[in-house]
Order: sequence, then structure tokens, then C-alpha cells
Amino acid sequence: QSALTQPRSVSGSPGQSVAISCTGTSSDVGGYNYVSWYQQHPGKAPKLMISDVNKRPSGVPDRFSGSKSGNTASLTISGLQAEDEADYYCCSFAGSLYVFGTGTKVTVL
Amino acid sequence: EVQLVESGGGLVQPGGSLRLSCAASGFTFSSLWMSWVRQAPGKGLEWLANMNQDGSEKNYVDSVKGRFTVSRDNAKNSLYLQMNSLRDEDTSIYYCARFTNYHLDVWGQGTTVTVSS
Repeated sequence: QSALTQPRSVSGSPGQSVAISCTGTSSDVGGYNYVSWYQQHPGKAPKLMISDVNKRPSGVPDRFSGSKSGNTASLTISGLQAEDEADYYCCSFAGSLYVFGTGTKVTVL
Repeated sequence: EVQLVESGGGLVQPGGSLRLSCAASGFTFSSLWMSWVRQAPGKGLEWLANMNQDGSEKNYVDSVKGRFTVSRDNAKNSLYLQMNSLRDEDTSIYYCARFTNYHLDVWGQGTTVTVSS
């Protein structure tokens, strides 16, 4: 049950695109299409941004997208906006249990 | 409005116990799995446990297995987390979350637990 590996930080200017990787193993990310992504602003509860690798819940802007290849999932934010500055966490099903990623701080320059 | 409200956090000594509660509203609580997630100060999220609709299936992360117990009262639309043998490293914000189809789609605001002598 080791945490999934994410980069500690990524940054971009407004309007640019950034991608956050989430690397696991064949027992979690690679074994199931049940990767979700959460956004967390300081002092706030996490918010679901992506489910089932690439599904956007109602109300989430379409500049957020998800994908997966092998044991690595990715969250891409296109057209970066100031309000996207936050921490982002991936999460994967791991066979009755779930494991979160280490978290990535997105900075808008 | 769909809402989850946690309560019961506080300061407890190492080795002590605490029971957290999560009150659900705005949805059919008895029809859905529920989960607990925590976040230590300045750290990432850690999934702790989940429970099915009638409480017959529960899953726990190894770090809390045997010390924490999740339960629910569907008549009261409430989820609970009984925490025993608390350690310094259990100091965290504890969130309850609605678990829908392999993801957590609604979160509470969290309740803070501090384990310290």
C-alpha cells in the first residue's frame, strides 16, 4: 500500500497547459480503470475533478482531462487559470483498498 | 443540498480513544458506500477505510487495521469512526466522504484530531 508517485510541483503561466503524472504499479493504477483526481485549495476539503481515469463530473471545467498508459495516469490542465493553483492528488483502486498519490502543487506563474 | 458534516475531533493523549461522527444530508445515505480519509499537518491524503451500505463489508488500510473501526447508523444518516490506541502519528484532519463507483464525490469539511501528551 505504498503511495502513488506524483511530482512535488509543476508550474505554468496563465493559458498554458500543465500535466501531472501519477505512477503506480500493476496492482493499482495499471490494473484497473479506477483512477480519480482531487483538487485541494489551502484549508479546504478536496474536490473530485476526474473519475474513472477520464470522466469529468458535472461542473468541472473541460480544461481538466485525464488519461492513463500502463502504470501511469495523468491529469492535464489546459488553459491554466489563476484559480487552478492548488494541490492535486490522484487516487487508485488497489483491490478492495484505495491508495492516494503523494500530491502535486500546481503554481500559476 | 448534499452535505457531510464531521464532528467529534479534539485533543487526546497517546493511547486514548475518540469517536468521530459524520452526519449526512441531501441524499439517500443508506444506498451508498462511505469512506474515511485523513490528512496529517502539511502532508498528503491517506485513505483509511470504507464501508458498504449495510455495514457487512468494511475495508481498512494496514496502518489503522485493528485500532480503528468504521460503523454506520442508516436510521440516523450517520457514519462513525471509532479510534482506539491513538498514536502521535494519528494527528490529522479526518474527512468523511461519499463513495460512489470507485471515487469520492462528496467530502465533508473535516474534523481535527490531535494526539499529544
